[in-house]
Amino acid sequence: GAVVSQHPSRVICKSGTSVKIECRSLDFQATTMFWYRQFPKQSLMLMATSNEGSKATYEQGVEKDKFLINHASLTLSTLTVTSAHPEDSSFYICSARGGTGLYNSPLHFGNGTRLTVT
Amino acid sequence: SQQGEEDPQALSIQEGENATMNCSYKTSINNLQWYRQNSGRGLVHLILIRSNEREKHSGRLRVTLDTSKKSSSLLITASRAADTASYFCATDAINDYKLSFGAGTTVTVRA
Repeated sequence: GAVVSQHPSRVICKSGTSVKIECRSLDFQATTMFWYRQFPKQSLMLMATSNEGSKATYEQGVEKDKFLINHASLTLSTLTVTSAHPEDSSFYICSARGGTGLYNSPLHFGNGTRLTVT
Repeated sequence: SQQGEEDPQALSIQEGENATMNCSYKTSINNLQWYRQNSGRGLVHLILIRSNEREKHSGRLRVTLDTSKKSSSLLITASRAADTASYFCATDAINDYKLSFGAGTTVTVRA
């Protein structure tokens, strides 16, 4: 089946530093990947849609200069949290569609990254 | 944006019992999907039901879809301790390639 690998699983960083999270599709090509943020005991909030070879599409209220997304290849998307602050502490999850199209196919998720900013 | 609303928010059952959770949504959809999330992990796809389907089975899972009521249900039969997780419905709206997730139902199966 389609596998999405997300790294790192946990990261602790100091306030003001930047953190990069990688999301790789291991056995399929992902033209589009999605980045979510999840607060404790809450649902997933879509942050942005990452498109291979073009700019990411950000959801309303998500700062694109703070959450930099790069989708340089069909198997890799990265999310960089720049100048991190404690309020950026959260669980970040990436996903990609496994089918041949964007519709009527399930999402395959990475295992998430727990970011703690001290 | 979050479209699906799930009910109940939390469910605690004994091993061997059935667990039922419901999902309501607002707009027209291509399909509705159910996912499971174990604590601190990513989501795992369980089942996808298309808008022209009314019921679908996968192992111990049974999903129904009523597009006239804009609602879906997920039934887990003969539950096991390993079924303890949060379950989310997600809608694939027409003309929108982004999935919208519900708030989730936390299921606890007691041994």
